[in-house]
Amino acid sequence: GAGVSQSPSNKVTEKGKDVELRCDPISGHTALYWYRQSLGQGLEFLIYFQGNSAPDKSGLPSDRFSAERTGGSVSTLTIQRTQQEDSAVYLCASSLGRNEKLFFGSGTQLSVL
Amino acid sequence: QQQVKQSPQSLIVQKGGISIINCAYENTAFDYFPWYQQFPGKGPALLIAIRPDVSEKKEGRFTISFNKSAKQFSLHIMDSQPGDSATYFCAASKNTGNQFYFGTGTSLTVIP
Repeated sequence: GAGVSQSPSNKVTEKGKDVELRCDPISGHTALYWYRQSLGQGLEFLIYFQGNSAPDKSGLPSDRFSAERTGGSVSTLTIQRTQQEDSAVYLCASSLGRNEKLFFGSGTQLSVL
Repeated sequence: QQQVKQSPQSLIVQKGGISIINCAYENTAFDYFPWYQQFPGKGPALLIAIRPDVSEKKEGRFTISFNKSAKQFSLHIMDSQPGDSATYFCAASKNTGNQFYFGTGTSLTVIP
C-alpha cells in the first residue's frame, strides 16, 4: 500500500475485554514501532521490531500488553483485560531501518468503558 | 524521565508571523532530530529533520536551528499560515537505539 495502514480506526470495548490492533507497514520497511498517544500528551514508546531480530519490548507498560510481527510485515498489538487507563490512540510507524524517517499510520482510537 | 523537553505547550501566531518552538535534550548520544506535524485524526508526519553535523537546515518556510553545545534545537516557521495550525512534536534518536524520544507537543494556532 501507499502508506502505513492501521485497523480498526476506532475501537470501543468494555473493561476486562481483550483487544487486538493491527498494523500493516509500508512494504520493504524493516523497522516497525508502536507508540501510544494519550489525550494532550506526547508519544509513549511501546515496542520496536527490526527485521528478524528479537523485538525491544522495553516500553510495554504491563504484561497485559503484547505484540507480534509475522513474516516481517503485519504486526498485531494485543491488550488483555483492558483497563480504563488503556484508553488512548495507538500509533504504528514503519521505517526503512533504525534511526530513519518514520511513517505513521492514522492510529487506532481505543476507548475502554 | 522526559528525554526531550518541548516548549511552549501552545502557541498562537498571527498569519504572516514567525512561529518558534523549542526543544532541549540531555543525551549527547542523540544524532538525529526530526520534527513531526500532526493534524487532528491523523498520525504525525515528518516535517523536517537535522543531524548534528550542521547548525541549521531550511526547507521552504521551515527551519531547524541546532545548538549542539547547548543541547537545544528549535523549529522556526516563517510566514505562518492558517494551514500550519497543527500539533508539532520534536524528537530525538540515536543510531544505536531502538526508539525515538518525543517531546510533549506544541499546539500551534495561526490566526487569519
